[in-house]
Amino acid sequence: EVQLVESGGGLVKPGESQRLSCAASGFTFNTYTMTWVRQAPGKGPEYVSSISSSSNAVHYAESVKGRFTISRDNARNSLYLQMNSLTPEDTAVYYCVRGDWREDWGQGTLVTVSS
Amino acid sequence: QSVLTQPPSVSAAPGQKVTISCSGSSSNIAKTSVSWYQQLPGTAPKLLIYDNNKRPSGIPDRFSGSKSGTSATLGITGLQTGDEADYYCGTWDVSLSVWVFGGGTKLTVL
Repeated sequence: EVQLVESGGGLVKPGESQRLSCAASGFTFNTYTMTWVRQAPGKGPEYVSSISSSSNAVHYAESVKGRFTISRDNARNSLYLQMNSLTPEDTAVYYCVRGDWREDWGQGTLVTVSS
Repeated sequence: QSVLTQPPSVSAAPGQKVTISCSGSSSNIAKTSVSWYQQLPGTAPKLLIYDNNKRPSGIPDRFSGSKSGTSATLGITGLQTGDEADYYCGTWDVSLSVWVFGGGTKLTVL
């Protein structure tokens, strides 16, 4: 069974940094593209960033480019999102998502940016 | 403003059929395959359809997908009250190099 468990969310102040992690199990992690998708309260899902299986291709939404960094550790079956210079507009549930079809989603971790 | 356009809401009676449209452009739907997701309140989105018209295991054949040109359609037959949810389309945009989602459609089963 595919499991994606996000962690690292919480309350942070504007301008601060936060690192999210996603622990993956139940599949061969190093063969899948992985994606972070976020969903602000009452809004639809928004793509944040994705990384190819071998980390040689990464993409970012314009809204986070230059502030967020996606990475993965295939030896640890883990995906990460380093978020810097956070603003209130980054407040959302952040989901770890598996695959090119974005087929499996974790339960999400809530990041709240507020003073 | 979403790159993919969906109707905000649709409704139909139990047992009836409904379709949800997703309109894109030459840089996304026309060139790539579409996925559809169902999001029940308080839960993560769940994949219903991938590669335009394929269903993951466990998804009933009441759910179907199609694509033509720059548009895609999700069909749901034999509507049940449990189908009440938000539905989103998604695909890769080759110009933006990002995954894009539709704005979502709220399905009400009257």
